[in-house]
Amino acid sequence: DTAVSQTPKYLVTQMGNDKSIKCEQNLGHDTMYWYKQDSKKFLKIMFSYNNKELIINETVPNRFSPKSPDKAHLNLHINSLELGDSAVYFCASSHLAGGPSTDTQYFGPGTRLTVL
Amino acid sequence: KNEVEQSPQNLTAQEGEFITINCSYSVGISALHWLQQHPGGGIVSLFMLSSGKKKHGRLIATINIQEKHSSLHITASHPRDSAVYICAVKTSGSRLTFGEGTQLTVNP
Repeated sequence: DTAVSQTPKYLVTQMGNDKSIKCEQNLGHDTMYWYKQDSKKFLKIMFSYNNKELIINETVPNRFSPKSPDKAHLNLHINSLELGDSAVYFCASSHLAGGPSTDTQYFGPGTRLTVL
Repeated sequence: KNEVEQSPQNLTAQEGEFITINCSYSVGISALHWLQQHPGGGIVSLFMLSSGKKKHGRLIATINIQEKHSSLHITASHPRDSAVYICAVKTSGSRLTFGEGTQLTVNP
């Protein structure tokens, strides 16, 4: 009965490869997010989708492309991986996007990406 | 300068001590979150508040909107409270902006 799940948990790959991280939530939320946590443990938002539509797109290289096939899934595809992409990537979900309700975000367990 | 500043960055306490972690922010917000990141990496939302005070067990969170400041208090601290505590503010839309976190270590 996991609320927000991510796969894989660990991903080790070579520079230049293309990889995907999957995220699924079974909470019935309509908004999902991708965050990046760097080596200094600083979290930063990358993307947010509401009902399969992109609503937040921070200054992230074009090599990163989120894909939301339905509102329960938000996958992150990364092309031409670079050393600096090594980080922990967290998926999260919440109920309402920017409305009067300030709902809690539920985080996935994280995916530790290591680029060699 | 980060829009969300936390202090202290590191905090070591003895079991049983009362702990306070502070968060100041410089932007308009609709809500503030306190998150806990366990040593294993998992992130748990502790509180979300937009005014006043909330209490859950030994944890208390307060916010002063006029002063743009929030505090997280832990009473009767325990070694299992050892974690990174992160303050995050909700600004425009759904965007969360995070502080750099406070590493708390509670020794037995």
